[in-house]
Amino acid sequence: DQQVKQNSPSLSVQEGRISILNCDYTNSMFDYFLWYKKYPAEGPTFLISISSIKDKNEDGRFTVFLNKSAKHLSLHIVPSQPGDSAVYFCAASYSGTYKYIFGTGTRLKVLA
Amino acid sequence: ETGVTQTPRHLVMGMTNKKSLKCEQHLGHNAMYWYKQSAKKPLELMFVYSLEERVENNSVPSRFSPECPNSSHLFLHLHTLQPEDSALYLCASSQDRARGGGRGRETQYFGPGTRLLVL
Repeated sequence: DQQVKQNSPSLSVQEGRISILNCDYTNSMFDYFLWYKKYPAEGPTFLISISSIKDKNEDGRFTVFLNKSAKHLSLHIVPSQPGDSAVYFCAASYSGTYKYIFGTGTRLKVLA
Repeated sequence: ETGVTQTPRHLVMGMTNKKSLKCEQHLGHNAMYWYKQSAKKPLELMFVYSLEERVENNSVPSRFSPECPNSSHLFLHLHTLQPEDSALYLCASSQDRARGGGRGRETQYFGPGTRLLVL
């Protein structure tokens, strides 16, 4: 049973436009959510996180939105740049555990 | 060196070989993790060490044996692996404030991984 789902395996966006990556989760105990970016031949790089007491967190071009009632997380990248082309993973965790539960990733391609 | 480093980056081994993966973190963290990423599957947590004590073993077969001699180094000893163990093995580290008297854990930072192929 996959507790964290990224239903879109891939996404293509024009440079300068907004990229929206989505993530759904099933476990209502999750209280900490993260997005990682992964380039080929590299490990995942932390991008941005949000705790369940917030519904939005912003860091430069990256904004994460959390909708707890819908158990939905999204990452907005504005404006998208060709260097943002990578695989994006969402992950979730809850207090009292070391475990991050990862989604399967969405491959973002930003077209110049 | 900065961040989290892993060696080797690529490894090919036979099913009867014994090999070890090494991870080193230069971030001053006190918790280290081994993850496995198989093709088209999410990252799966294998082991967690906090303050050099194994605190989680996620039902991993005994042919994988972790070792954490100090808070900066983590090893994964491999023996009699199967072809289905071929995967990307990722190491991560974080600051475990919960065990250090703080109020929660911080973000995990990953190394570049070891791509393992078992023949």
